Amino acid sequence: QSVLTQPPSVSGAPGQSVTISCTGSSSNIGAAFAVHWYQQLPGTAPKLLIYDNNNRPSGVPERFSGSKSGTSGSLAISGLQAEDEADYYCQSYDSSLSGSVFGGGTKLTVL
Amino acid sequence: EVQLVDSGGGLVQPGGSLRLSCAASGFTFSDYWMSWVRQAPGKGLEWVANINPDGSGKYCVDSVKGRFTISRDNAKSSLYLQMNSLRADDTAVYYCAKYSDYCMDVWGKGTTVTVSS
Repeated sequence: QSVLTQPPSVSGAPGQSVTISCTGSSSNIGAAFAVHWYQQLPGTAPKLLIYDNNNRPSGVPERFSGSKSGTSGSLAISGLQAEDEADYYCQSYDSSLSGSVFGGGTKLTVL
Repeated sequence: EVQLVDSGGGLVQPGGSLRLSCAASGFTFSDYWMSWVRQAPGKGLEWVANINPDGSGKYCVDSVKGRFTISRDNAKSSLYLQMNSLRADDTAVYYCAKYSDYCMDVWGKGTTVTVSS
């Protein structure tokens, strides 16, 4: 059971938009620790996609955006492309565990 | 180019030991926290351990406390994970990562650890 809760799967057709939620608690996201998002393409290492709730590292398309409210964060992907098919993980810091925590991951299928 | 190359994985019997290494390049290693993150087969990501820039502060997940030790050699720009008393549920791909502002901004390609008799 992951500390952060994500839906196991989401799907959308090319060109559509999807949103992935990440729900935490008062010791992590709710304690003002930022939400970060990672993309893991099949057979590869994770890659930082969004940091500090809503910032994109250099090279990440504007189609990817993040937000945070209360004890939850969200990743939005617009204009879905086949290459977006991957697993997506949220991550934050947990003060009661004194370490990082991840969501269980969400598999995005582009129909 | 910022790069992390993790190595040292392999097949080990339950109760055995293994030492993972991670060679860093392209950034000032001694300025940054570093992390180990693992991923069991078909499962999600799990944070394992963090170490601060001078090695004086170490933090790890409860499931590995007393068995795993994170360390670093700043002169060699290298990160290590000493794993003792290995169990079947430690089987995973282990990734080293650069830890900056509470997120993992650079990842190695991973090294596979299999614990089996």
